[in-house]
Amino acid sequence: KQEVTQIPAALSVPEGENLVLNCSFTDSAIYNLQWFRQDPGKGLTSLLLIQSSQREQTSGRLNASLDKSSGRSTLYIAASQPGDSATYLCAVRPGSNDYKLSFGAGTTVTVRA
Amino acid sequence: AAGVIQSPRHLIKEKRETATLKCYPIPRHDTVYWYQQGPGQDPQFLISFYEKMQSDKGSIPDRFSAQQFSDYHSELNMSSLELGDSALYFCASSLLAGPKMNTEAFFGQGTRLTVV
Repeated sequence: KQEVTQIPAALSVPEGENLVLNCSFTDSAIYNLQWFRQDPGKGLTSLLLIQSSQREQTSGRLNASLDKSSGRSTLYIAASQPGDSATYLCAVRPGSNDYKLSFGAGTTVTVRA
Repeated sequence: AAGVIQSPRHLIKEKRETATLKCYPIPRHDTVYWYQQGPGQDPQFLISFYEKMQSDKGSIPDRFSAQQFSDYHSELNMSSLELGDSALYFCASSLLAGPKMNTEAFFGQGTRLTVV
């Protein structure tokens, strides 16, 4: 059974600092990995999708890397802003014929103005 | 761009009642997933449909059932509700087949179910 872990569980940084969020998974045979943002009580907003054959994806201030062999992904957020405060979840999809996502518990980020 | 639409956004039910949650996927998406997120928990996979057929099943209680209709919308039916069913229920959709295949899962805003 795929286990997804996110460390740290919570993070508080001053505005302008770069954020580094970690995600690890136990079974390296994944199809893809997706990073989401969730505001309190709200839905999941997809940030980045990395296919298993890719090493990284970038979107604006966000960069996600994937090291499938070691079962790790890292989400970098450059020059953090108070609006980046949210919970960030990573989720892995096991295989091309396996439709479900396994989520980590998330990292709750607070960016202090 | 059109997103995944879920209704209702909020629902309050009493124990032992039934509830029906609806999901309208992104147009032309062929796959629908349902997830349950309890307070302070990560989303847990319940069930998925590909081209209107059940494709995978997770930790969905026997009291729950779901289906996908000919117009691709999906409904999650929940009976004999228990207090522990209080959660945020998400629907997501993807396009897993065809030339424009995109395995990214797009989530709706969720339905918050409160059982009292």
